[in-house]
Amino acid sequence: KAGVTQTPRYLIKTRGQQVTLSCSPISGHRSVSWYQQTPGQGLQFLFEYFSETQRNKGNFPGRFSGRQFSNSRSEMNVSTLELGDSALYLCASSLNRGDTDTQYFGPGTRLTVL
Amino acid sequence: GESVGLHLPTLSVQEGDNSIINCAYSNSASDYFIWYKQESGKGPQFIIDIRSNMDKRQGQRVTVLLNKTVKHLSLQIAATQPGDSAVYFCAENTSGTYKYIFGTGTRLKVLA
Repeated sequence: KAGVTQTPRYLIKTRGQQVTLSCSPISGHRSVSWYQQTPGQGLQFLFEYFSETQRNKGNFPGRFSGRQFSNSRSEMNVSTLELGDSALYLCASSLNRGDTDTQYFGPGTRLTVL
Repeated sequence: GESVGLHLPTLSVQEGDNSIINCAYSNSASDYFIWYKQESGKGPQFIIDIRSNMDKRQGQRVTVLLNKTVKHLSLQIAATQPGDSAVYFCAENTSGTYKYIFGTGTRLKVLA
């Protein structure tokens, strides 16, 4: 069974631009979560989606948004990019038979903002 | 954002020795915990999990111990190998919150 896939793997943008990252969960997984990973702040929760509904959101500004499609694929968008948005963005999926199912991560998208 | 993580502690162990990585979790209501391994340039990889109704769980070469009284989690790796060198994270989840909170991470270095 294929794992979580994320595209693109690497991205370079300039300040003020916007970016869209994509995540395809493991087949059959209905919950998708997004995390931001930086050396200084570690892994921080962005948001979680299940059946196209956002069920929880972390403490990030409104420039960070996401959505989930009917096939469980998810995208996240960051508008008006800032230098501090440079990070590894990780997507994780789970079956969500209950809300404490194991999350499996993708390889991440490395975003660099210049 | 929510996370603990300014400085990454490092644990250096000799190849073949046992490793113990510790984690203090934040929420007494957390009822599910996972240990992840992250190698350079990769996403976190699931190692082992434990629910709050257990205090110990064993996998292949790994054991997780949970002490709810002091909100402490540990990962024991037996006969540590060079391939175990990575950053290890603990993650906690509370039912109904639909999110995981990650610990700081510990870098494990295996010395030949």
